[in-house]
Amino acid sequence: GAVVSQHPSWVICKSGTSVKIECRSLDFQATTMFWYRQFPKQSLMLMATSNEGSKATYEQGVEKDKFLINHASLTLSTLTVTSAHPEDSSFYICSARGDLPDTQYFGPGTRLTVL
Amino acid sequence: AQSVAQPEDQVNVAEGNPLTVKCTYSVSGNPYLFWYVQYPNRGLQFLLKYITGDNLVKGSYGFEAEFNKSQTSVHLKKPSALVSDSALYFCAVRGSPRDTGRRALTFGSGTRLQVQP
Repeated sequence: GAVVSQHPSWVICKSGTSVKIECRSLDFQATTMFWYRQFPKQSLMLMATSNEGSKATYEQGVEKDKFLINHASLTLSTLTVTSAHPEDSSFYICSARGDLPDTQYFGPGTRLTVL
Repeated sequence: AQSVAQPEDQVNVAEGNPLTVKCTYSVSGNPYLFWYVQYPNRGLQFLLKYITGDNLVKGSYGFEAEFNKSQTSVHLKKPSALVSDSALYFCAVRGSPRDTGRRALTFGSGTRLQVQP
């Protein structure tokens, strides 16, 4: 089956630093990947849609300069949280459209804690 | 705009009993409906999807979903619950890309299923 990995699985950083999260489709090519944010005991909120070779499409209210997304290859998308602050602490989950139509496969998530 | 409602924050059921997790939706055009399960500190695992066809869709781990167009609902069901089914369940929807131009999913707020031994 289609597998999506994320790295790192958790990260703790100091306020003001930048953190990069990788999302990889391991056994399929993903032209489209999605980045979600999940707060404790809440649903997933879509942050942006990442298309290989083009600029990401951000949802309303998501700062594109704050959350940099790069989708340079068909198997890798990265989310960089720039100048992180404690309010950026969250669980970040990516997903990728797989070979089966209309199906997204989710990564295991990355827990970011900003001190 | 598309939206999803999961009216129950938590569902409690005894092991061996049938379970239902409710979901209603609103979307333009024909709905693409999904159920996912999330275990603690893990990503979402795909359970099933409904796009067209029979109103009863079978998915992974013995789960199935009952689609009702008139009630705009797609409730998740399982005939006999297991303790290991205890997790957070999310319903998600999106419209046809031709109708909405979007492929992104909109998720419900999630329902925590607790199966007691």
